[in-house]
Amino acid sequence: AQSVTQLDSQVPVFEEAPVELRCNYSSSVSVYLFWYVQYPNQGLQLLLKYLSGSTLVESINGFEAEFNKSQTSFHLRKPSVHISDTAEYFCAADRGSTLGRLYFGRGTQLTVWP
Amino acid sequence: GAGVSQSPSNKVTEKGKDVELRCDPISGHTALYWYRQSLGQGLEFLIYFQGNSAPDKSGLPSDRFSAERTGGSVSTLTIQRTQQEDSAVYLCASSLGVGGASDTQYFGPGTRLTVL
Repeated sequence: AQSVTQLDSQVPVFEEAPVELRCNYSSSVSVYLFWYVQYPNQGLQLLLKYLSGSTLVESINGFEAEFNKSQTSFHLRKPSVHISDTAEYFCAADRGSTLGRLYFGRGTQLTVWP
Repeated sequence: GAGVSQSPSNKVTEKGKDVELRCDPISGHTALYWYRQSLGQGLEFLIYFQGNSAPDKSGLPSDRFSAERTGGSVSTLTIQRTQQEDSAVYLCASSLGVGGASDTQYFGPGTRLTVL
């Protein structure tokens, strides 16, 4: 079975500080990996995704994630956070070419303080 | 184009009543997914449709839960004899349904169900 682990349930940081949200997955087959963000009282929005090719993927708002096959990780990073980045972040994986459900981590609540 | 829409946005019901939650996927998306988000449980998969058939319904928690999809578009999730533990946000997602790199799931805003 496939599983996704987010190691931190809550990450508090100050504005303009760097942040890393950790995600590990377990799988014996190739996977696609995703980060979704959920702002307060809103639905899930796709932040970025890794499908193949370059292991570093970026979002339009300054987040990046690096796929590391040897460590089975897909950590999300941002060099300088804003208060508006406060949200819950979910890491997810699917089974790549096989259509089906997403496997979600439990989520990490990022809170950015002024 | 329009995103995934869900109705109602909020539903309050009494224990033992039946409820129906509706999902309208993105036009042209053949795959549709239902998930549940509750405190302490994170995001749980419920059921997945490809067209009108459900290849994977392994996440439905009990036989009180059922879902159908008609015309390859709108889906309804029905919960019979609701219990307080059914209180959660029910999320619907849709994707192109072709598999592979193009098949990203896009989520609706959810229906918040409260069972009193």
